[in-house]
Amino acid sequence: GQQLNQSPQSMFIQEGEDVSMNCTSSSIFNTWLWYKQDPGEGPVLLIALYKAGELTSNGRLTAQFGITRKDSFLNISASIPSDVGIYFCAGPLGSNDYKLSFGAGTTVTVRA
Amino acid sequence: SQTIHQWPATLVQPVGSPLSLECTVEGTSNPNLYWYRQAAGRGLQLLFYSVGIGQISSEVPQNLSASRPQDRQFILSSKKLLLSDSGFYLCAWSDDTRSSYEQYFGPGTRLTVT
Repeated sequence: GQQLNQSPQSMFIQEGEDVSMNCTSSSIFNTWLWYKQDPGEGPVLLIALYKAGELTSNGRLTAQFGITRKDSFLNISASIPSDVGIYFCAGPLGSNDYKLSFGAGTTVTVRA
Repeated sequence: SQTIHQWPATLVQPVGSPLSLECTVEGTSNPNLYWYRQAAGRGLQLLFYSVGIGQISSEVPQNLSASRPQDRQFILSSKKLLLSDSGFYLCAWSDDTRSSYEQYFGPGTRLTVT
């Protein structure tokens, strides 16, 4: 199946900073999804992308569907403490089923 | 609007005991349903998915099983738990149309096998 590589694995943020993370795939995707998981809770869908080159925002979050269709980027502008958590990218495992492949996640924590 | 429920929220069970986790979805019909497991600090592992009543696909061979007795009910079971079954179990649903891969997750069940 498709392998998703997320980077960085972890990052520290300082309030007010802009941060970014990315996800790459070994195969072409027609959909990219970004989720955030707070500790002890289920992941929440942040942004869904359906078209190569698409740029979509959700508040201070902006995600882009890479032109090659093998990557996607998530940016957080003006970080606040509640941005901490684990961010996952996901994409379809195949073209004829309903399963997703998830990246290993980027853990965002606040720099002391 | 759609909501997804899981229970129990937390569970501590001894090795060798049975398991039953329940997931229900409200506000939608004929959803696709999924069970995932998340080990501490790790990503999401798909265990089972279902596209309809009685239709279950298993992704990982293990001592767990899943059933879908009703359209919006998904159950994860085990006859005898192993220590390695500990983890955070997540249920998710998606619309049954092929145009949507968006999955929506429940609050999860934290299982500790002792």
